[in-house]
Amino acid sequence: GDSVTQMEGPVTLSEEAFLTINCTYTATGYPSLFWYVQYPGEGLQLLLKATKADDKGSNKGFEATYRKETTSFHLEKGSVQVSDSAVYFCALRGYGGATNKLIFGTGTLLAVQP
Amino acid sequence: NAGVTQTPKFRVLKTGQSMTLLCAQDMNHEYMYWYRQDPGMGLRLIHYSVGEGTTAKGEVPDGYNVSRLKKQNFLLGLESAAPSQTSVYFCASSYSGVESQPQHFGDGTRLSIL
Repeated sequence: GDSVTQMEGPVTLSEEAFLTINCTYTATGYPSLFWYVQYPGEGLQLLLKATKADDKGSNKGFEATYRKETTSFHLEKGSVQVSDSAVYFCALRGYGGATNKLIFGTGTLLAVQP
Repeated sequence: NAGVTQTPKFRVLKTGQSMTLLCAQDMNHEYMYWYRQDPGMGLRLIHYSVGEGTTAKGEVPDGYNVSRLKKQNFLLGLESAAPSQTSVYFCASSYSGVESQPQHFGDGTRLSIL
């Protein structure tokens, strides 16, 4: 079945450092890919998405490119801030099928130190 | 600007007690979902609904029941709570089942079963 694998955390960075959180997926067909962010004590918020191969999703300085050849959707940011500290979830939503449910990775905790 | 609202935010139950979690959305979304979030496991789908009056099982439905009597509400019930159901529960909704549609999440209900 469809699945998402993302790098384990926690990831600890200093402010202004470059961020990469790896995400790879297994899916049949042509899924849509998402990154969600969860700040402490809150629900998940959509950060960005990409719906077809080579699409780049971007938001708040974060970017991710849908790479079908490597089945990857890595999250990047050029200069992180303390306010970016959160848990990041990679997810896919399959094409067709009865559920069209989101399938999540296990989440990656990012801690940014001043 | 409510989006998806979950009540209650916190609850402590004793083993064997019953309770209902309420999810309400004001975005006129057709699809609604209940997930549970456990450490190291990401989010797992419990039940979902593709429209008023419909429900279906997700990945981990045992021990839970749901109802969708009104389009805007999706209720999750625990008939006889067990310690294994200690978790954070998230409700989500989406406009449709199209794979590119993101899901919108509530802030979660933290449930402890003693």
